[in-house]
Amino acid sequence: DSGVTQTPKHLITATGQRVTLRCSPRSGDLSVYWYQQSLDQGLQFLIQYYNGEERAKGNILERFSAQQFPDLHSELNLSSLELGDSALYFCASSVALSGRYQETQYFGPGTRLLVL
Amino acid sequence: GESVGLHLPTLSVQEGDNSIINCAYSNSASDYFIWYKQESGKGPQFIIDIRSNMDKRQGQRVTVLLNKTVKHLSLQIAATQPGDSAVYFCAEKAGGGFNAGGTSYGKLTFGQGTILTVHP
Repeated sequence: DSGVTQTPKHLITATGQRVTLRCSPRSGDLSVYWYQQSLDQGLQFLIQYYNGEERAKGNILERFSAQQFPDLHSELNLSSLELGDSALYFCASSVALSGRYQETQYFGPGTRLLVL
Repeated sequence: GESVGLHLPTLSVQEGDNSIINCAYSNSASDYFIWYKQESGKGPQFIIDIRSNMDKRQGQRVTVLLNKTVKHLSLQIAATQPGDSAVYFCAEKAGGGFNAGGTSYGKLTFGQGTILTVHP
């Protein structure tokens, strides 16, 4: 168990709908990352938040958005869903330390999204 | 019909053998590398990491080797066990710099993965 929790575990919805995925980082971790894992694209970085602020953006669609709240949990919002959005969505967290320290990212169990 | 999806490299070994999983990375500016193990239905699990100022690092039953000249990373698993069966991903991170708050930009770029199957 990595200490990162994600809800829900499974989500089935229809095209055009909107869903929210939730992530709670490990205790003490300030950075949260979202990744998408699909069969044809592998693991793709979407976005990173640090202490409530967006820090880095990857291959995130405009239909998707995220935020990190004061209690450090994060939500990933997916709207106008398409069939191709079906994938596993992972959240990861890491400790942010001062200085040049490379932070290991610990992954949650993921949310499996199926768009019908 | 034509199949879709990534065609991952596979490695099949017998229990007790040593396994070597290879990874070629793309960014010569990457200075941090991680190996993750992903079992079916679970999230990637951290195995071992290495910084670019090292060429070898050992953990429990695992060793990571880094060859920056040819941009190659390998994971060696000693005495492989059936529980080691999983998909193994290498990931790289370029430095990205630090902001005033002292955190690095965290984008990890993952390789496509290798399926390891261990036969009893």
